[in-house]
Amino acid sequence: DAGITQSPRHKVTETGTPVTLRCHQTENHRYMYWYRQDPGHGLRLIHYSYGVKDTDKGEVSDGYSVSRSKTEDFLLTLESATSSQTSVYFCAISVGQGAISEQFFGPGTRLTVL
Amino acid sequence: GENVEQHPSTLSVQEGDSAVIKCTYSDSASNYFPWYKQELGKRPQLIIDIRSNVGEKKDQRIAVTLNKTAKHFSLHITETQPEDSAVYFCAASRGAGSYQLTFGKGTKLSVIP
Repeated sequence: DAGITQSPRHKVTETGTPVTLRCHQTENHRYMYWYRQDPGHGLRLIHYSYGVKDTDKGEVSDGYSVSRSKTEDFLLTLESATSSQTSVYFCAISVGQGAISEQFFGPGTRLTVL
Repeated sequence: GENVEQHPSTLSVQEGDSAVIKCTYSDSASNYFPWYKQELGKRPQLIIDIRSNVGEKKDQRIAVTLNKTAKHFSLHITETQPEDSAVYFCAASRGAGSYQLTFGKGTKLSVIP
């Protein structure tokens, strides 16, 4: 499982409330990612990080922000949750050296916005 | 940016038959192509990958082929078993740098006993 955990694993919240999801890794990998998974869309990249305080946007970043103050933690925040953000959120890390490295996923967080 | 198309979206095969899933990509600079298997309610699991300097790679009953000229790659599963039933995703990446993956939309494979 590449030492990746996500919390919470399930969350139900109401529209307009802030939500923070946490991804934690134990092996000091540099690259971390947040994806969302929706039926018919596969996995889409929200944001990624290439080091402490170094982050960048992915394909579907609107409405999301991220922070990485420590190597082991990558936080995803929905400042004001909307029903369209109901999804399963997966964190991932890149493992390996050199030009190409493999990505491994965390267990996921199922978020429901009512 | 990169665009990955995956076909078919659903596939049913009899146990013991072969299954083939095909993907095309748009960015000629992509050089890394992993395949993930996702069982219901679980995380995607990397099952095999191929780099652009290799045309084919095998691992027991699964194999992946890559045609850089045509910009397509395929997953082949032989002697399918019920436990192969899952959703399979292909992806493409430029590799170096951010290692961002662009995923296809998935193929739901059902193996009928």
